[in-house]
Formats: sequence, C-alpha cells, structure tokens
Amino acid sequence: EAGVTQFPSHSVIEKGQTVTLRCDPISGHDNLYWYRRVMGKEIKFLLHFVKESKQDESGMPNNRFLAERTGGTYSTLKVQPAELEDSGVYFCASSQNPAVTADTQYFGPGTRLTVL
Amino acid sequence: AQSVAQPEDQVNVAEGNPLTVKCTYSVSGNPYLFWYVQYPNRGLQFLLKYITGDNLVKGSYGFEAEFNKSQTSFHLKKPSALVSDSALYFCAVRASSRTDKLIFGTGTRLQVFP
Repeated sequence: EAGVTQFPSHSVIEKGQTVTLRCDPISGHDNLYWYRRVMGKEIKFLLHFVKESKQDESGMPNNRFLAERTGGTYSTLKVQPAELEDSGVYFCASSQNPAVTADTQYFGPGTRLTVL
Repeated sequence: AQSVAQPEDQVNVAEGNPLTVKCTYSVSGNPYLFWYVQYPNRGLQFLLKYITGDNLVKGSYGFEAEFNKSQTSFHLKKPSALVSDSALYFCAVRASSRTDKLIFGTGTRLQVFP
C-alpha cells in the first residue's frame, strides 16, 4: 500500500511569488491534514479535510494560504504571495475513518519550502 | 491551553543501553497521546499511541511508552538502543475530543553512539 506522497520535495521561491504544494493521501483515507514545521520549532496544525470539506481550518495563519481538496482525493496548499516567514517543512497526513476515535495519522515526507 | 513539552533537545545514549525520551502534556479531558519518529530525509513515522487501557503501550521497532496520568507524562523507552534508532522523535497529543488535530512537542534528537 502506497503511503502519503507529497510534491515537490523541495521548493525555493522568492518573496512575493506563488507556490502550490500537493498531497496525495493513502487511498481510501477520508481525513487529510496539513501541518508545518517552521525554523526547527514544533510541528503545527494548519487544517483538516474530511473528504472535500474543511473540518477545521483554525491553524491557517492568514489569507495568503489556500487549501483545496476537490473531489475528496488529493489536496493542494497554495501560498500566495509567499513571505519569508513561510519557510519551513509542510507535512501532509491522512487517516482513514472520521468516526474512529484518535485514528492514527500517517504522514508524508514533507515539502521543504524556502522563501528568499 | 493544550500543550506538549519535550524538555530535552537531545538525548545521547550508548548502543545497547536503555533509552528514555521524555514527554509531558497538558490537556483537558482524557489525553490521546502519540509518538512519531523522523529519520533523516524522511517523513514522520508513527511509533505508537495511547488511547485507553494498559498504561504501557508497545509500538514499532521495540519501542514502548508509559502513560502516567498523575505525572501527566508519556515517556518513550527502549530497553536496548541501536545506532539505527538515531533520529528525531516527536510526542503529540490530540487537542481535544472535538478535533483530530495533533499538538506536537518541539522534538528530541536521539543520538545513539556505537
């Protein structure tokens, strides 16, 4: 069974540019999460999809970040325009069943974003 | 507010010795606790979780963790460390019963020396 995949693995952009990160969850997983780790600090929650619906977007830092999950399969996270403080590693995770208490979240390898 | 603390930035241990990576938490209600490991250039891998039941939880790669409610701790342990256990370890807690989002600690780097 393929795990969570993320693309690209690395992205280097200049301040003010736009970047789109993609996450493909484990097949059949209804839950999809985005997290990020900035500057070697703790990993912080960004948002949670159940299928195509945003269940919780309380962690999204501002309106420069837009997440979508059309069709309830893969998800994209767009940063527009990117700022220096957006640099970090963006992780995607998925879990199978929204009805299962504390179902295990399986993480992808992350996308390392560097904004210059 | 819910939080997780990993008080040690780095833990050094000799191969073959027991290891402990510390984690304490602060949540309202029953805690759901997790340990993840990140090997170099890899994503986070799930090690184990505590939901309810036996306070000693066994996980992957010979790791185990002990839930201690009175001390609000969930320390990760292994009886005999391997050099290949060297990695970054993250403790996490589910924020509340109304959400699946995880709150992570800052991570502890484990270095196992031959």
